[in-house]
Amino acid sequence: AQSVTQLGSHVSVSEGALVLLRCNYSSSVPPYLFWYVQYPNQGLQLLLKYTSAATLVKGINGFEAEFKKSETSFHLTKPSAHMSDAAEYFCAVSEKYTGNQFYFGTGTSLTVIP
Amino acid sequence: DTGVSQNPRHKITKRGQNVTFRCDPISEHNRLYWYRQTLGQGPEFLTYFQNEAQLEKSRLLSDRFSAERPKGSFSTLEIQRTEQGDSAMYLCASSEWGWGGGANVLTFGAGSRLTVL
Repeated sequence: AQSVTQLGSHVSVSEGALVLLRCNYSSSVPPYLFWYVQYPNQGLQLLLKYTSAATLVKGINGFEAEFKKSETSFHLTKPSAHMSDAAEYFCAVSEKYTGNQFYFGTGTSLTVIP
Repeated sequence: DTGVSQNPRHKITKRGQNVTFRCDPISEHNRLYWYRQTLGQGPEFLTYFQNEAQLEKSRLLSDRFSAERPKGSFSTLEIQRTEQGDSAMYLCASSEWGWGGGANVLTFGAGSRLTVL
């Protein structure tokens, strides 16, 4: 079975500060990992994905994430927060070979303080 | 391509009524997924199709929930005899899946919000 755990349901950062959103996964085989962002009243938008190539993955809007197998983690970072980054962020895992069900974490709400 | 389209965007109904949501995926996508999202939670998988075949439906919440994708294009999600606990956002996503390809990346629609009074 696969699952993800997002530590911290709410994160607040000052504008210009580092953003760090945590995600740990559980999987019996190396999975594919994703970060999605959801703005109010909108669907989920893909930020970035890990597909077993480079462990450091760069996404849209300046976000990046690093896959660490030893820590079973896939934390999302951005060096400098912008007001427009305020949103809900979801980590997700899927089966590597069949690409079947996606399992999402419970989400982290990011607030950016001006 | 206009992306994944969901209708209606909002539905208010009385308890006991039936509701149907429609999802039009990206045209070249062969997989279609339904998720439910409640406030403060991540999307919860319900079911998915590959073309017209429903490959997983054990996660549908009860026998009041059913989904179809009759021609492998659009899909409908029906909830019969709605209950207040069914109030949620219902999300549709599609993807282009092929063996030997890369990760199965989901593209989501904006969702259909259901309120059961």
